[in-house]
Amino acid sequence: GAGVSQSPSNKVTEKGKDVELRCDPISGHTALYWYRQSLGQGLEFLIYFQGNSAPDKSGLPSDRFSAERTGGSVSTLTIQRTQQEDSAVYLCASTRTSGSYEQYFGPGTRLTVT
Amino acid sequence: SQQGEEDPQALSIQEGENATMNCSYKTSINNLQWYRQNSGRGLVHLILIRSNEREKHSGRLRVTLDTSKKSSSLLITASRAADTASYFCATVPWGGSYIPTFGRGTSLIVHP
Repeated sequence: GAGVSQSPSNKVTEKGKDVELRCDPISGHTALYWYRQSLGQGLEFLIYFQGNSAPDKSGLPSDRFSAERTGGSVSTLTIQRTQQEDSAVYLCASTRTSGSYEQYFGPGTRLTVT
Repeated sequence: SQQGEEDPQALSIQEGENATMNCSYKTSINNLQWYRQNSGRGLVHLILIRSNEREKHSGRLRVTLDTSKKSSSLLITASRAADTASYFCATVPWGGSYIPTFGRGTSLIVHP
């Protein structure tokens, strides 16, 4: 079956512009996570959606970052007024149920802010 | 702050040799997972070990967990060039959270 997909795969934007990154989780997966990975670093948690519950936004680094998940499926991560330090690979992952821990990752979106 | 820290940061071996990577963490965990990341791609789940387990196997992979030392190791036996990747541990804490914390990873290079 289809895995987690993300678009675009690469995004180059100018400092100060807004960007939207999209994640399509595996069909039927109830939980969705966004992470950020800077070069040579581990994954930094950003936000977690579980079913219809309020998302856990504790990892968002500033109020320029926001995310939504429509219909319990597709999610969009929005970064407003991008800064050069936002340059990173943004990864999305989903899990089957709330009791599952195994995460299925998408290929990521490489964001470059010039 | 990072919960899991992998050691070594980089490992270079010859095909056929075994590769051992370690992960240390600070707080009590529900489970610990190992993931693999090929260059430029997303992560792939390898194995999950729960806090009440001490060892798990999956093919050429062997994971151990020592909760008294708050550490885990991943052993890849008879390594292949295709095992070249970065390996990350991720810890899930007790208390109902489903948010894992990832370490910075070990970069493994297997020379053919």
